[in-house]
Amino acid sequence: DSGVTQTPKHLITATGQRVTLRCSPRSGDLSVYWYQQSLDQGLQFLIQYYNGEERAKGNILERFSAQQFPDLHSELNLSSLELGDSALYFCASRTGTGGYGYTFGSGTRLTVV
Amino acid sequence: KNEVEQSPQNLTAQEGEFITINCSYSVGISALHWLQQHPGGGIVSLFMLSSGKKKHGRLIATINIQEKHSSLHITASHPRDSAVYICAVRFGETSGSRLTFGEGTQLTVNP
Repeated sequence: DSGVTQTPKHLITATGQRVTLRCSPRSGDLSVYWYQQSLDQGLQFLIQYYNGEERAKGNILERFSAQQFPDLHSELNLSSLELGDSALYFCASRTGTGGYGYTFGSGTRLTVV
Repeated sequence: KNEVEQSPQNLTAQEGEFITINCSYSVGISALHWLQQHPGGGIVSLFMLSSGKKKHGRLIATINIQEKHSSLHITASHPRDSAVYICAVRFGETSGSRLTFGEGTQLTVNP
């Protein structure tokens, strides 16, 4: 157990639907990062939150949104799902803004049918 | 062109062989990470480097900042080392603290 908890582990849903992925960071970590890993694009950065505030945005579609709550857990919301959104979604956490390492969750495998 | 290039893409070795995976990047970085991803999908951070060399068990990671190049070595490889190894970099602070990833190296170690 890495200390970063992601739920659910697997999700199968239909096109057009909306899902919410959840991430609880390692205790004490303030930063949460969301990454998408698809077969054709590899691992890509989606969005970062730090202590409840959005800090950086990457290749995140407008149909996707995220937030970080006061208890530091984060949710990634994916709406109007398309087949191409099928991917592994990883959450990672990091302690602060210094040169610390990242801890990854085990990922949520999303399959859109 | 990807900002982070890894080679080789695929590597097959016999148990006991010495393995090297290479990573090069295009501009200055603040840190480089080596990650391991097993078939189940989970990602484990192996090393974080900003200079020099680090060793953990049979794994050694080196970085040459001037040449913008890093290598991951596995000594006395074992079938349990079979996984995808991913190089990831954190560019300067103007890019935030996000990671940019290489495409990964699929390593298969045969008994």
